Amino acid sequence: GDSVTQMEGPVTLSEEAFLTINCTYTATGYPSLFWYVQYPGEGLQLLLKATKADDKGSNKGFEATYRKETTSFHLEKGSVQVSDSAVYFCALSDRGGATNKLIFGTGTLLAVQP
Amino acid sequence: EAGVTQFPSHSVIEKGQTVTLRCDPISGHDNLYWYRRVMGKEIKFLLHFVKESKQDESGMPNNRFLAERTGGTYSTLKVQPAELEDSGVYFCASSPDRTTNTEAFFGQGTRLTVV
Repeated sequence: GDSVTQMEGPVTLSEEAFLTINCTYTATGYPSLFWYVQYPGEGLQLLLKATKADDKGSNKGFEATYRKETTSFHLEKGSVQVSDSAVYFCALSDRGGATNKLIFGTGTLLAVQP
Repeated sequence: EAGVTQFPSHSVIEKGQTVTLRCDPISGHDNLYWYRRVMGKEIKFLLHFVKESKQDESGMPNNRFLAERTGGTYSTLKVQPAELEDSGVYFCASSPDRTTNTEAFFGQGTRLTVV
């Protein structure tokens, strides 16, 4: 079945460092891809999404490009801030499915130090 | 506009007891989803309601779990009897229309601890 694999954490960076969190997926159809973020004490929030190959999602300085040839959707940010400390989840949604449910990766904890 | 609200935020119960989690979706959202994250692993789909009907319950782990959505509004997820492996964070999400692939909005989650 469909699945998402993302890099293990925790990832610890200094403020202003470059961030990459790897995410690859396996899907039989043509999924939409998402990054969700969970800040401490809060619920899951959609960070960005891409619905077809070569689309780039972006928000709050974060970017991810839907790469069909490598089945990847890596999350990047050029300069992280302490406020970016959170758990990041990569997910896919099978648009052809009956439920449009999300399939998540295991989450990557990011800790940014001042 | 109020977001997705879940009650309680935390629950600690003993093995064998019953617990009921509640989710109030965003008003007007026909789709309601339950997910669970166990022990820092991936967030897993449990089930999906469209209004009051169960569209997909393939993720429900066993018959100790019962989900309802009365009148297509709020939903409850009951665990009876609870086991240690049921501990985790239970998330609820809602969305207005599946066909347009709109964003699902999540609640803060209920952290369930079974001791």
